[in-house]
Amino acid sequence: NAGVMQNPRHLVRRRGQEARLRCSPMKGHSHVYWYRQLPEEGLKFMVYLQKENIIDESGMPKERFSAEFPKEGPSILRIQQVVRGDSAAYFCASSPTGTNQPQHFGDGTRLSIL
Amino acid sequence: GESVGLHLPTLSVQEGDNSIINCAYSNSASDYFIWYKQESGKGPQFIIDIRSNMDKRQGQRVTVLLNKTVKHLSLQIAATQPGDSAVYFCAENRGAGNMLTFGGGTRLMVKP
Repeated sequence: NAGVMQNPRHLVRRRGQEARLRCSPMKGHSHVYWYRQLPEEGLKFMVYLQKENIIDESGMPKERFSAEFPKEGPSILRIQQVVRGDSAAYFCASSPTGTNQPQHFGDGTRLSIL
Repeated sequence: GESVGLHLPTLSVQEGDNSIINCAYSNSASDYFIWYKQESGKGPQFIIDIRSNMDKRQGQRVTVLLNKTVKHLSLQIAATQPGDSAVYFCAENRGAGNMLTFGGGTRLMVKP
């Protein structure tokens, strides 16, 4: 399966801990996007990255959230000092180029905060 | 606009009938639109896309119509099957950057 791979599928954290979500884009895709989805809602854009660069982080909360897409390895969405409101499904998407191309999504990481 | 977390609107159709799912968008600068299907516990699955220089595009059993005058997008599914049951989202690229802005979604339920 050469699709977008996200892990873990489910992640449980206690308040104050750190959450690290990983995303490997489709083969040949160099553009990665992170979205957050609350139950019964559409996805909300968080950040857009290319290799080693953050292109658009206009949807990222100003504190505690960060993202990277290193030269080697998966893209990482990192949430520090998690709070209950961070509970959501986090989806990663990738595209071959950034301009008017379909974004293909992984099956997400469901983050639960105790 | 922003979803307020209300229950999703639901479209219930009989197997074999045609389904039409509608979406309104607000930004006249949007130049690219995508329909996604999301099944429970999974990520959005690409169905079909359309650019703003077109008003209709067809795929296998699906057709997307774009009316830029009234900022309206629709997805038509022919001969709806039980496997089509899912939540359907429209998404738009507003022309500034590559982020997608998603609509609130419609739940399609297919009765056998």
